[in-house]
Amino acid sequence: QVQLQESGPGLVKPSETLSLTCTVPGGSIRGYYWSWIRQTPGKGLEWIGYNFYSGSSNYNPSLKSRVTISVDTSTNQFSLRLNSVTAADTAVYYCARAIINYTKAVFDYWGQGTLVTVSS
Amino acid sequence: EIVLTQSPGTLSLSPGERATLSCRASQSVSSSYLAWYQQKPGQAPRLLIYGASSRATGIPDRFSGSGSGTDFTLTISRLEPEDFAVYFCQQYGSSAIFTFGPGTKVDIK
Repeated sequence: QVQLQESGPGLVKPSETLSLTCTVPGGSIRGYYWSWIRQTPGKGLEWIGYNFYSGSSNYNPSLKSRVTISVDTSTNQFSLRLNSVTAADTAVYYCARAIINYTKAVFDYWGQGTLVTVSS
Repeated sequence: EIVLTQSPGTLSLSPGERATLSCRASQSVSSSYLAWYQQKPGQAPRLLIYGASSRATGIPDRFSGSGSGTDFTLTISRLEPEDFAVYFCQQYGSSAIFTFGPGTKVDIK
């Protein structure tokens, strides 16, 4: 069982940067794609992007210009930065582990989710 | 971008009944890259099915998945009280992008 844990501010001002960190227990960060997904009542589940432990990344085209996901193998953490936020970025943000190979592409472990509100 | 549509939006059933949930894709999806998740209130989604028809670790055999191309189905053979939840399909496709369907809520009749 891999228990991911998100951390970061629950309130961000419009136009500022949303920053979240996810801790991966037990040194198990290598070999996986580390992802962020958000959920709102209106848009449902939205994949934000992933970063492979070795550094290659891919992002949702709708957010690509504002997003950076990075992985730190020395601390077993990965992080999300979303620039220039607006109220539309208010959501529950999940960190998740993705497995992508020739038989599957899934999110097999998730954090519990953290609500981030964008408001002045 | 491949768009996933799920139907019905809400399914009202009684415990013991069979649930059939549909996920339709706007373009063909590789069966390897179609998955289903269950989400209960206040919780993160939980992986149920991957590769369209393979159960994830620890998932009871009353859950089954089928389909190919653009039409996929999640079936719960006999609903248990803990199965009343929201179910999402997810695909991974062109340009290495993930998308999710809007979900089907299975509630108690």
